[in-house]
Amino acid sequence: DIQMTQSPPSLSASVGDRVTITCRASQRIGKYLNWYQQKAGKGPKLLIYAASSLESGVSSRFSGSGSGTEFTLTISSLQPEDLATYYCQQSYSSPPFTFGPGTKVEIK
Amino acid sequence: EVQLVESGGGLVQPGGSLRLSCAASGFTFSNYSFNWVRQAPGKGLEWISYISISTRTIYYADSVKGRFTISRDNVRNSLNLQLNSLRVDDTAVYFCARVRRIAAGGTGVCDNWGQGTLVTVSS
Repeated sequence: DIQMTQSPPSLSASVGDRVTITCRASQRIGKYLNWYQQKAGKGPKLLIYAASSLESGVSSRFSGSGSGTEFTLTISSLQPEDLATYYCQQSYSSPPFTFGPGTKVEIK
Repeated sequence: EVQLVESGGGLVQPGGSLRLSCAASGFTFSNYSFNWVRQAPGKGLEWISYISISTRTIYYADSVKGRFTISRDNVRNSLNLQLNSLRVDDTAVYFCARVRRIAAGGTGVCDNWGQGTLVTVSS
């Protein structure tokens, strides 16, 4: 099975800061990597698919990059509404559709 | 507007059963595959089951294989998950998620999610 890791597990940043979250896969997965945002008490929301494609309706503050085993999610200018936990997920092989452990983003 | 609404959660004793449903609206249900994903209290997301459009392909996570059964009703636009032999560590919020195929390939992305239904397994 493909294992996913994320770093950091949590971060605290100020409004306007540039924030970067890293996701690593235990084997090469091409660009089959997706990013989700989950706010407290809500279901997850798709932000980025295929490593770098912005989902329709998602703010352009969010961007993704990477391929192979290392990927990043960047928030260009952190906003208060970005308070959430962010998960990566591989869609290269199934099953299982492995999620990363999550990165909790807090606002200073 | 795409909507997925889960129901059927509740409190059940260890060894008991529950049937979860996910009512879909706002899109052509029969054109999509679906996942069930769960989240234990304070923990991350865990994929647990997948069903294809035709039901020909069904997958389960090892943690639920042999105990949970996924199904779908393309007439009632409903996705279901039968939970049997429940254990304390099955306590979680259960989400249904629509799977969209993308041009780049791969297994698809979960492009719409419900709000979840809470299953609590406790004596």
